Amino acid sequence: AQSVTQPDIHITVSEGASLELRCNYSYGATPYLFWYVQSPGQGLQLLLKYFSGDTLVQGIKGFEAEFKRSQSSFNLRKPSVHWSDAAEYFCAVGRGSTLGRLYFGRGTQLTVWP
Amino acid sequence: DTGVSQDPRHKITKRGQNVTFRCDPISEHNRLYWYRQTLGQGPEFLTYFQNEAQLEKSRLLSDRFSAERPKGSFSTLEIQRTEQGDSAMYLCASSSLGAGGHGYTFGSGTRLTVV
Repeated sequence: AQSVTQPDIHITVSEGASLELRCNYSYGATPYLFWYVQSPGQGLQLLLKYFSGDTLVQGIKGFEAEFKRSQSSFNLRKPSVHWSDAAEYFCAVGRGSTLGRLYFGRGTQLTVWP
Repeated sequence: DTGVSQDPRHKITKRGQNVTFRCDPISEHNRLYWYRQTLGQGPEFLTYFQNEAQLEKSRLLSDRFSAERPKGSFSTLEIQRTEQGDSAMYLCASSSLGAGGHGYTFGSGTRLTVV
């Protein structure tokens, strides 16, 4: 069965510091991988996605993620965090080209110190 | 296009009452999804439609839950005889068929509080 693990429940970084949020997935075939961000009381906004091709994908707001099949990971990175990046981040995996349901991790809450 | 709209944004209801939520997807999207999110957790899949056909339902969707998308456009999610455990954010999303390339577009959610 598909599953997603986000091992860090809460991460705190200083503004301007680099960021890496971890995501590990379990899926037997080639996964479709996503990172979403959620601000308090809001829906989810897509940051970036991976389906195939270049394993380093660029997203919005200066985020990037790298797919590593050997490690079943899809970690999210940002070289310099801004205070406005404080939010909850969710990794998700989908199956097949027709997608259907997504399986989400439990999320990582990011706090940014000024 | 205004994105995915959900109504109401907030709902407080007494235990045992029925509630209904509405979702209006992006007009050209033929797939519509319902998820439930509780505090400190990621969204959990409930069900999804392709046009008016309900293609998959989670075991989370008990007999008290029913979802419809009668004309393949908007959808409703009804919870009968609400329980305190139903308190959660209910998220709707839409996509085009095979739109893995675009992922989903989520609405802002309906927050349900059962008292």
